[in-house]
Parts: sequence; structure tokens; C-alpha cells
Amino acid sequence: EAQVTQNPRYLITVTGKKLTVTCSQNMNHEYMSWYRQDPGLGLRQIYYSMNVEVTDKGDVPEGYKVSRKEKRNFPLILESPSPNQTSLYFCASSSQGKPNYGYTFGSGTRLTVV
Amino acid sequence: AQRVTQPEKLLSVFKGAPVELKCNYSYSGSPELFWYVQYSRQRLQLLLRHISRESIKGFTADLNKGETSFHLKKPFAQEEDSAMYYCALSDIQGAQKLVFGQGTRLTINP
Repeated sequence: EAQVTQNPRYLITVTGKKLTVTCSQNMNHEYMSWYRQDPGLGLRQIYYSMNVEVTDKGDVPEGYKVSRKEKRNFPLILESPSPNQTSLYFCASSSQGKPNYGYTFGSGTRLTVV
Repeated sequence: AQRVTQPEKLLSVFKGAPVELKCNYSYSGSPELFWYVQYSRQRLQLLLRHISRESIKGFTADLNKGETSFHLKKPFAQEEDSAMYYCALSDIQGAQKLVFGQGTRLTINP
């Protein structure tokens, strides 16, 4: 089954403790992206990657890092989490080809930083 | 800059009534528009692409370039349509970055 898999689904952590949220897709998609979803703000892009070893900042990159060493994986790293990073995070992937079929999303990771 | 506006955060209609979720965008180029739906505790799913002009689950959306709108419509709402709906825009020439609106929570009352 074609899908985007995120882990973990739920995570509670303390301020300053480094964490990684994993994202993996099995569709051979070139494009991958991380979004955070907050009430009243919709989805805002954190980072994206157009292919292996190619990453770029989205609209809200502060406090986050990513890497794209393999095509299928795009982990999101919070080096020193803070409470304002408490949010629902979604990973998504897309083919670079045309027509544009839009994104396939993961199930989400609900992160709470205390 | 690309921008998507969904003016209604909440929308409530009765079962069987018509429903329209508004979406307006600002973009100087040629955009591709999408509607995504998020049912309770589920991931976002693609509902419609303007380029395909298809009808999914009875929903349709027409791109109006003059009014820069992409409203989502359904003639007869069903209870299972209750969900969060997001309008999104992508640059037709670019890296397929999606810019999302703030979302509209649709509730269908029995």
C-alpha cells in the first residue's frame, strides 16, 4: 500500500531534550515536506526537500532541522524543543512529475513539550 | 506572495441542505488549486484538484480566475461530510509547494 509513515504518533517530552520524528514514504516520491498544524493557523510548512541532499526552509523553520540522505526518509529534528513547538506535525510527499496530483500525508505526530 | 484565505472557520448546515465552503487566493502566476479533507482523527486526504474537474463524494469546485476563488460545493450535505476542509494552492511551475488556508470546520446537523 502506497503510504507515508510517521513515527511516533504521540510524543510528550520536556523542554530542551532533543527528539526526532521519522517520516518514510514508499512511493519513490522526490518531494517531501513537513507541516505543523495549529488551531486557527491551518498548516504551515516547516521544511521541504526536492530530492536527496536537497532541503530548504519553509515558512516556519526556526527550531527545526531536517535531513534527506535517502529518497524515502525525511526526519524532522528538534534539537532543543520548546513549549511553543507543541503542535500536530504532518509529513507529506509528492511526485515531481506532471500533472500535479498533490500530496500524500502521513497520519500525523502530536507533540507536547512541557 | 501566495496566499489562501478561507473566511469561515466554522460552518454548520443541516443534512440535505446545500453547502458551500469559500476559498479565495492571491497569486500572480498560474496556480493549481486543491481541496483537502481531514476527518476526525485521520490524516489529510486529497479531495479535489481543479485541473481534473472531477466530482468526488458529490463535491465540486470551479476555479474562477476573475474572482480568484475556488469554492467547494455540494448540493445535498450528508452527515459523513462533517470534517475539516483545507483549500491549498500550488505554483504550477514551481516545486509543488502547497500553501494552505486556515481551514473550515464543517458540521452537518441531522
